[in-house]
Amino acid sequence: GENVEQHPSTLSVQEGDSAVIKCTYSDSASNYFPWYKQELGKRPQLIIDIRSNVGEKKDQRIAVTLNKTAKHFSLHITETQPEDSAVYFCAASITGNQFYFGTGTSLTVIP
Amino acid sequence: GAVVSQHPSWVICKSGTSVKIECRSLDFQATTMFWYRQFPKQSLMLMATSNEGSKATYEQGVEKDKFLINHASLTLSTLTVTSAHPEDSSFYICSAASTRGGVIYEQYFGPGTRLTVT
Repeated sequence: GENVEQHPSTLSVQEGDSAVIKCTYSDSASNYFPWYKQELGKRPQLIIDIRSNVGEKKDQRIAVTLNKTAKHFSLHITETQPEDSAVYFCAASITGNQFYFGTGTSLTVIP
Repeated sequence: GAVVSQHPSWVICKSGTSVKIECRSLDFQATTMFWYRQFPKQSLMLMATSNEGSKATYEQGVEKDKFLINHASLTLSTLTVTSAHPEDSSFYICSAASTRGGVIYEQYFGPGTRLTVT
């Protein structure tokens, strides 16, 4: 099955700085890549996603880039705020099939 | 986004007993639901894909006779942990998938169920 790797496992940034989280996947058939934010004790929430027919997608301070050739995709958060502190998970999916998650990145934004 | 509920939110049971967890899609019909297991400070591990009206598809290493999944309707899937053991203690999260033209797109997560087996 699909293998998704995520780095780094922990990330601390100063408020206002940018944060970047990277994921790689193994199955070239994967074509849907969502990112989830999970706060402590809460359910994962979809924050942004990208499909294999585009290379970049942006939503306010959050952006995701996809390199299909290299099989990696990244989450970029600009102008970070303390409320961005959470665990972020990437996932890869073949639409119509399962979702496979990365190992998670614990982001801490220092005020 | 869509609303997915889980019941119970927390359950404590004795070793050897069975526990049923319900996952409900409250505002849309979910032909596909996923069941995940999450250990503390770890990622979500896909256990099985549940399709309405058919048998669930289990991931490698997940015992289908131990984790019984039933997807009886478009709004309800259940996970039954049979003969629970302390190592089954975990956080179980379901999700309901939205589809477009028969293809799964987004998934919406339930709040999770914390299972503690004593």
